[in-house]
Amino acid sequence: NAGVMQNPRHLVRRRGQEARLRCSPMKGHSHVYWYRQLPEEGLKFMVYLQKENIIDESGMPKERFSAEFPKEGPSILRIQQVVRGDSAAYFCASAQQDLETQYFGPGTRLLVL
Amino acid sequence: SQQGEEDPQALSIQEGENATMNCSYKTSINNLQWYRQNSGRGLVHLILIRSNEREKHSGRLRVTLDTSKKSSSLLITASRAADTASYFCATVLYGNNRLAFGKGNQVVVIP
Repeated sequence: NAGVMQNPRHLVRRRGQEARLRCSPMKGHSHVYWYRQLPEEGLKFMVYLQKENIIDESGMPKERFSAEFPKEGPSILRIQQVVRGDSAAYFCASAQQDLETQYFGPGTRLLVL
Repeated sequence: SQQGEEDPQALSIQEGENATMNCSYKTSINNLQWYRQNSGRGLVHLILIRSNEREKHSGRLRVTLDTSKKSSSLLITASRAADTASYFCATVLYGNNRLAFGKGNQVVVIP
């Protein structure tokens, strides 16, 4: 049973470009969470999704950031018009049920030049 | 707001010694989880302890939870060089699925 998969592992973008980060949850998991980690800091919650639904997006910046988890395919975290401050590691986690253990992917490290 | 806060922030020990990290939080929780992160890597789940549990063991790990003091501790016994990593506690609140992470404890085990 493969773990949570994220791609790309590293992403370099210039200011103003778009970044698309993908997350495939563990098999059988329908709950997906996105977190952001700035250098030397802990992870900060961004958004919680179930299939085709955004359950909690209270940690998402109001502009430029969006997330989806379609019926088929991976969850996508999309950042439009990236700025240098978006440079961070973005982690996806999945869980089988609500309030259960979240299993993390290896992360996508975004660098905005 | 950030829930978990670990103490101490950095710990350096000799191989074979025990390492203890503490985590405090502010509000009532559903459960508390400990994770390990090696430099530049993803997080590895270590252990989950629920609010109605006081202690859990997993291999060389021992986690305690004191809900009256709103604190948890992670003990790694007989440490190994491979235990060198950052350790994070994260809380899950009632009615809220997200993990709230502390800033992390960096542990260095010297061979």
